Amino acid sequence: GAGVSQSPSNKVTEKGKDVELRCDPISGHTALYWYRQSLGQGLEFLIYFQGNSAPDKSGLPSDRFSAERTGGSVSTLTIQRTQQEDSAVYLCASSLAGGTSYEQYFGPGTRLTVT
Amino acid sequence: QQQVKQSPQSLIVQKGGISIINCAYENTAFDYFPWYQQFPGKGPALLIAIRPDVSEKKEGRFTISFNKSAKQFSLHIMDSQPGDSATYFCAASGGDYKLSFGAGTTVTVRA
Repeated sequence: GAGVSQSPSNKVTEKGKDVELRCDPISGHTALYWYRQSLGQGLEFLIYFQGNSAPDKSGLPSDRFSAERTGGSVSTLTIQRTQQEDSAVYLCASSLAGGTSYEQYFGPGTRLTVT
Repeated sequence: QQQVKQSPQSLIVQKGGISIINCAYENTAFDYFPWYQQFPGKGPALLIAIRPDVSEKKEGRFTISFNKSAKQFSLHIMDSQPGDSATYFCAASGGDYKLSFGAGTTVTVRA
């Protein structure tokens, strides 16, 4: 595809359930980021993958959040035992490599609503 | 806490007018300051970026002004058009890949 794609575009789940959000980065991009965008707030960094290096998980808000990137391409963000405060738009971005010399291209996001 | 403070939260400007959005930061290690534009239902897209070695950068109708001593930077949208109606985010980064974002400004351009 031409850009970063994310699925699903919308997800409504009940409190306590687990959810998986998927990100397909631009082909050839080695760096992949996950952000969370809460209503009226800026983007909050969650996790960063670069090639085969260990991911930077420093932004994950709790141990209920985890992410993996298989084969250096597709990434899945998993939220276990969802809470209402997890409701937000989850954005994925990719770049040719890590660092600010490389533009981050964002997907359209997954809107998560926890009821 | 938010490392980049952005204001105003929203603004309305007439077509042809100038939109001004301001951001301030505290971390003196920041050395990269991008602005992103986001339309409803879309992800943010890089609009323009500046590094501290220059005080101003212009791309078309969009200009970043940077004041290193005051630790402030701003986005000016000249000759604002209805198609500029969007949410704008400032961000900052210090030598690595992490971007700290402001809370966003919703700009509405009235025809």
